[in-house]
Amino acid sequence: GAGVSQSPSNKVTEKGKDVELRCDPISGHTALYWYRQSLGQGLEFLIYFQGNSAPDKSGLPSDRFSAERTGGSVSTLTIQRTQQEDSAVYLCASSPPPGNTEAFFGQGTRLTVV
Amino acid sequence: AQSVTQLGSHVSVSEGALVLLRCNYSSSVPPYLFWYVQYPNQGLQLLLKYTTGATLVKGINGFEAEFKKSETSFHLTKPSAHMSDAAEYFCAVRLETGRRALTFGSGTRLQVQP
Repeated sequence: GAGVSQSPSNKVTEKGKDVELRCDPISGHTALYWYRQSLGQGLEFLIYFQGNSAPDKSGLPSDRFSAERTGGSVSTLTIQRTQQEDSAVYLCASSPPPGNTEAFFGQGTRLTVV
Repeated sequence: AQSVTQLGSHVSVSEGALVLLRCNYSSSVPPYLFWYVQYPNQGLQLLLKYTTGATLVKGINGFEAEFKKSETSFHLTKPSAHMSDAAEYFCAVRLETGRRALTFGSGTRLQVQP
């Protein structure tokens, strides 16, 4: 497809379980971002990947959250031992070079922890 | 550190009336500025962006925004609201150098009354 693809679109999980959220960026885009959008809140930055550089992990809320980007393309956001406060929409975006001035967003994954 | 403030979490206008959504930023260096729109259950779509050059920027769907450095503002306007403009609007800032992730405001929900 032409856009950023995220899967699954919806995920319901039990408290304490681990979840993996996937993001397929637009081909050729070197930058990839993860954001979290909680109900009635703005977008909270989680992590940023740029090419082969070390990722900016400064937004990850706890050590239960981690992300990787394999081969400079697909990214996986992992949340371990999920808590109810992790319930949110997780948005992925990618940006093209040079300059990465515009971010293209996926539809998001709605995570519900019960 | 950069930050974004959107005045008014909810704005209601009549169809055909002027739309004005306010955004102020805080940044130690001139930033890149963006407005995104989010329709219900969808991802974010870029409306317009300011990087360099002309300070009045035109975007899609008849929206425009003006970068005013002296006021550290980037307000979004549209001369005549349409019912289809009802959505959530997010202002975002990104520094040209250093941290490249977007910092978002908390969003403004626009309602358009018939």
